[in-house]
Amino acid sequence: DAGVIQSPRHEVTEMGQEVTLRCKPISGHDYLFWYRQTMMRGLELLIYFNNNVPIDDSGMPEDRFSAKMPNASFSTLKIQPSEPRDSAVYFCASRAGLGSRKKLFFGSGTQLSVL
Amino acid sequence: SQELEQSPQSLIVQEGKNLTINCTSSKTLYGLYWYKQKYGEGLIFLMMLQKGGEEKSHEKITAKLDEKKQQSSLHITASQPSHAGIYLCGRAMTTDSWGKLQFGAGTQVVVTP
Repeated sequence: DAGVIQSPRHEVTEMGQEVTLRCKPISGHDYLFWYRQTMMRGLELLIYFNNNVPIDDSGMPEDRFSAKMPNASFSTLKIQPSEPRDSAVYFCASRAGLGSRKKLFFGSGTQLSVL
Repeated sequence: SQELEQSPQSLIVQEGKNLTINCTSSKTLYGLYWYKQKYGEGLIFLMMLQKGGEEKSHEKITAKLDEKKQQSSLHITASQPSHAGIYLCGRAMTTDSWGKLQFGAGTQVVVTP
C-alpha cells in the first residue's frame, strides 16, 4: 500500500498567487481530511469528506480556501489568492469508514511558503 | 489546543531510560489517538484507544486511557534514538466522525546517548 500521497512536497509562491495542493487517499478509504499545521496553532482540521462529499468545512479559514474531491482517489485544496499567513504544512489524511477501522493515516504533508 | 493539554512540552531522556507523556482533555474523550512526527515528515499512527481503562502496547510503547479522568498516557520503556520526535495526542470530537480530531500541542522527545 502506497499510503496517502501528497504533492507537491514543497511549494514556494508569491503573495497573491493561486496555490493548489493535491492528495491521493489510500484506496478504499471513505473519509478524507485536510489538516494544517503551524507553530502558533498546532495541527487543526480544515475540512473533511465522506464518500467525496464535504461534510464539515467549519475549519476552513476563509473564502480564499476551497477544497474539492471529484472522485474517490483525488482531492485538492486550493488557496486563491495566497497570503504569507497561509504558510504552513498542509496534511491530508484518510481512513476507512466501517467498523473498528478507525485508524487515520496521514500523508507526508506539503510545506507551503508564501512570500 | 488548550482543550487538550500535553505534558511535558519537551523532555530529554538518556538512552535506555523510560519516559511518560500525558494528555489531558477538558472535554469528553470519545477516543484518543497517539501519533509520532519527525521533522519534515507526516504523522505516524501509533495507537488508538477507545474504551475506558483500555491499554495497548506496541514494541516498547504502551498507551493507557483513563476515561474518568479524561486522560491518556504514553509510556516508552528503555528509550532508543529511534524514539526521538514529537508525540501528538488527538481527541476524537464526536462518536461518529473518527478522524475529525483535535490535537494537543505535542511533546518533543530527545534521546541522548
